[in-house]
Amino acid sequence: GENVEQHPSTLSVQEGDSAVIKCTYSDSASNYFPWYKQELGKRPQLIIDIRSNVGEKKDQRIAVTLNKTAKHFSLHITETQPEDSAVYFCAASIFVGTASKLTFGTGTRLQVTL
Amino acid sequence: SAVISQKPSRDICQRGTSLTIQCQVDSQVTMMFWYRQQPGQSLTLIATANQGSEATYESGFVIDKFPISRPNLTFSTLTVSNMSPEDSSIYLCSVAWVSANEKLFFGSGTQLSVL
Repeated sequence: GENVEQHPSTLSVQEGDSAVIKCTYSDSASNYFPWYKQELGKRPQLIIDIRSNVGEKKDQRIAVTLNKTAKHFSLHITETQPEDSAVYFCAASIFVGTASKLTFGTGTRLQVTL
Repeated sequence: SAVISQKPSRDICQRGTSLTIQCQVDSQVTMMFWYRQQPGQSLTLIATANQGSEATYESGFVIDKFPISRPNLTFSTLTVSNMSPEDSSIYLCSVAWVSANEKLFFGSGTQLSVL
């Protein structure tokens, strides 16, 4: 089955700096790659996703890039703010018909310091 | 956006007992899944809840331990049976809609502690 590795496990940046989180996946058939943000004690929230027919997607301060050949994808957060502090999970899945079953990475704890 | 409600939100249970967690969505969904998140860990898929038929379990999870029901398109239950302290986790219901291009959204979670 699919295996997703995520790095780093923890990341500390100063407010205003950029943060980059990287993931690799094992199944070349995977075609959908979402990112979730989980604040302490709360549910995971979908923040951005990308499909395999797209190399990059941006939404305000958040962007995701995908390299299908190397089987890795990354989350980029620019101009970080304290409210960006959370655990971020990447995931990969095969989207077939009406369902996509996600395999999650191990998570990255991002801390944005003042 | 739709509301995904889970209850109970948390519970403390005794070893050997069972707990049933409910997931209610305020609109019909295509798919429903149950995930487990152990303390400080990632999310692991337990099973896909299939409407009107037996759930599809992932490797390492069995129906006798985690029976699942899904009687209609908006409701599902997960039971954690014969609990042990190792079952202490957050259990999350997740759903996907055709109209949302199958993006996965999570319920509020049930934090379970087994003594």
